[in-house]
Amino acid sequence: DTAVSQTPKYLVTQMGNDKSIKCEQNLGHDTMYWYKQDSKKFLKIMFSYNNKELIINETVPNRFSPKSPDKAHLNLHINSLELGDSAVYFCASSLTAGGQETQYFGPGTRLLVL
Amino acid sequence: DAKTTQPTSMDCAEGRAANLPCNHSTISGNEYVYWYRQIHSQGPQYIIHGLKNNETNEMASLIITEDRKSSTLILPHATLRDTAVYYCIVPRNAGGTSYGKLTFGQGTILTVHP
Repeated sequence: DTAVSQTPKYLVTQMGNDKSIKCEQNLGHDTMYWYKQDSKKFLKIMFSYNNKELIINETVPNRFSPKSPDKAHLNLHINSLELGDSAVYFCASSLTAGGQETQYFGPGTRLLVL
Repeated sequence: DAKTTQPTSMDCAEGRAANLPCNHSTISGNEYVYWYRQIHSQGPQYIIHGLKNNETNEMASLIITEDRKSSTLILPHATLRDTAVYYCIVPRNAGGTSYGKLTFGQGTILTVHP
């Protein structure tokens, strides 16, 4: 069974489009995260939700809007896609929101904006 | 997160032990040392973590110095599949409300060769 899954795995789209990436975890965790890995391979946190409540919101453009319909799902909607949004987006989850919790990552969604 | 320093790259022969060092001289008394790795094109994978004592699991061993300012991740019998980027992370635990914000640095690129 896949612990943290993401769809789609690959996403190729035109500039200006709106797209969504979905994440689901079956670990029974309370906390979920979105990370972005750019072309230089740096992994940076974008958002975190704990029990459907936003708890981390890094300096991310307003075009990015996370949504957590329940604590097993965290989706990421991106409006008006730009070339610079091309990256790999990773979802992760942890048991709780504490700073010392192990995080489990999904396989990533590779977004290419043309 | 407390700042960590790792070598940019290391090589290891297959079947030999891989010893990956990490300096974390600003670590606080209640902060753990975490190790993750990222195999090419995959999501980061948790390896091991520790506070003071040395730790061992099915993947690796973690040796933390007595002053806790540095640690070494040991892969006892490296295989080709262990080729990856290894990240040493000390998540900040300011009053237990750091909300799991992992800061990934550049990590160490470990190449295991035949």
